[in-house]
Amino acid sequence: DAMVIQNPRYQVTQFGKPVTLSCSQTLNHNVMYWYQQKSSQAPKLLFHYYDKDFNNEADTPDNFQSRRPNTSFCFLDIRSPGLGDAAMYLCATSRDPSGTQETQYFGPGTRLLVL
Amino acid sequence: DAKTTQPNSMESNEEEPVHLPCNHSTISGTDYIHWYRQLPSQGPEYVIHGLTSNVNNRMASLAIAEDRKSSTLILHRATLRDAAVYYCILRDLGGSQGNLIFGKGTKLSVKP
Repeated sequence: DAMVIQNPRYQVTQFGKPVTLSCSQTLNHNVMYWYQQKSSQAPKLLFHYYDKDFNNEADTPDNFQSRRPNTSFCFLDIRSPGLGDAAMYLCATSRDPSGTQETQYFGPGTRLLVL
Repeated sequence: DAKTTQPNSMESNEEEPVHLPCNHSTISGTDYIHWYRQLPSQGPEYVIHGLTSNVNNRMASLAIAEDRKSSTLILHRATLRDAAVYYCILRDLGGSQGNLIFGKGTKLSVKP
C-alpha cells in the first residue's frame, strides 16, 4: 500500500508557466519534505513543514513555494519554471524532524519537464 | 552534518554478497550512520542505521568499525532488484532539523 503518494508521476510545463506538484501521505507523520533531484545528482532538500511550521533551506530560490493545508497533503508550487528547474521532485515524510534515528519515507517522485 | 565518502560505483554478481564501504573520518560521537538506497526511477528508501554496534535487518547488515570512522553495508545475496544507488548519511542532534544530506552515493550494478 502506497504511503507517500505523488501525483502526477510526470509533469510537463512551459517555460514561465506556474506549476503545482502534489504529495499526500497515509502515515499521519508530522513532517513533510520536498527534495529536488537533478539528473545524475543526489537529492537536495528545498524545504520542509513540521506540522504547520514552514522551514525553508537558505539556498532555495524564491521561485519555489510550498503549502500544507492539512496533515495529509503538501504542495510544491513553482511560480515561473525555468529550464534549470527540470528535475525529479521527491516528497518525503517523517514523524519527528530532529530524531537522529528517524526514518524518512519517500514517494516515487514527480519528474518535471520544462519546455 | 559530517561528510561521507563512498566509491562512485561497484559491481556484483547475482546471489553473491556485496560489501559497500563508507568512510566518515570526521564522525562525532552522536552521529548515527544511516543508509538509504534509490532504485532507478524511484524515491530513496531506508535500508538500515546504527550508532556503534553492528546491526542486522531483513534487508541488510551494517558493520561499523570500532573507531566509527568507517562502516560497511552488507547485502548477503545480491539480487537484480538490489541494483541501485546506495547513500551513506550521517545524522546528529546538531543537524539541520533532521534533514538528510545526501552525498553522491555508490551506484551498484548487479550482473546475472
